[in-house]
Amino acid sequence: AQKITQTQPGMFVQEKEAVTLDCTYDTSDPSYGLFWYKQPSSGEMIFLIYQGSYDQQNATEGRYSLNFQKARKSANLVISASQLGDSAMYFCAMSPISGAGSYQLTFGKGTKLSVIP
Amino acid sequence: NAGVTQTPKFRVLKTGQSMTLLCAQDMNHEYMYWYRQDPGMGLRLIHYSVGEGTTAKGEVPDGYNVSRLKKQNFLLGLESAAPSQTSVYFCASSTLTVYQETQYFGPGTRLLVL
Repeated sequence: AQKITQTQPGMFVQEKEAVTLDCTYDTSDPSYGLFWYKQPSSGEMIFLIYQGSYDQQNATEGRYSLNFQKARKSANLVISASQLGDSAMYFCAMSPISGAGSYQLTFGKGTKLSVIP
Repeated sequence: NAGVTQTPKFRVLKTGQSMTLLCAQDMNHEYMYWYRQDPGMGLRLIHYSVGEGTTAKGEVPDGYNVSRLKKQNFLLGLESAAPSQTSVYFCASSTLTVYQETQYFGPGTRLLVL
């Protein structure tokens, strides 16, 4: 079984500043993927970034980067140069890559990010 | 290319009534999923399908049934709705690549059971 923990229910960041959203995970699967999704107030789930457990380098997608520390079982999302449109709920999720549980995402409870002008 | 669509967007049911939520995707994805999202919670997997004609239980399957008769459609049924099934329901689909399996989500269906 997998477990995702997001310890920050809410975060504030000044516009144009960088912010880190924390995510720790627990799994016994040897290979797994880690995901971050954004959910604005309109409700849709938007995929942001993916990191495979076998990837040597941290993933980056535009202003999003994933700080992956395998030994610490953490997969923090870093948003650089925050914008007002970044205000949303952010969910960390993971899934095994092989075996019976493959393709099933387990989500954390989310972090609500508010960007201050 | 509409991506993943869900019907209806919002529904109110009385306890004991039945209904079916429809999910459709036009990306030719093999895998489809149904999640529910409750206040203060992340999404939890109800059922999923790895191909046409196949379904499997997720984390919270009780009270729901699903069918995948066509590759592009995934139906979620509530045979006898209960207030505990008040939630936002998300459908998602994905395809497997060697390095990444990204799920694409529909806009959600808000269900209120009175």
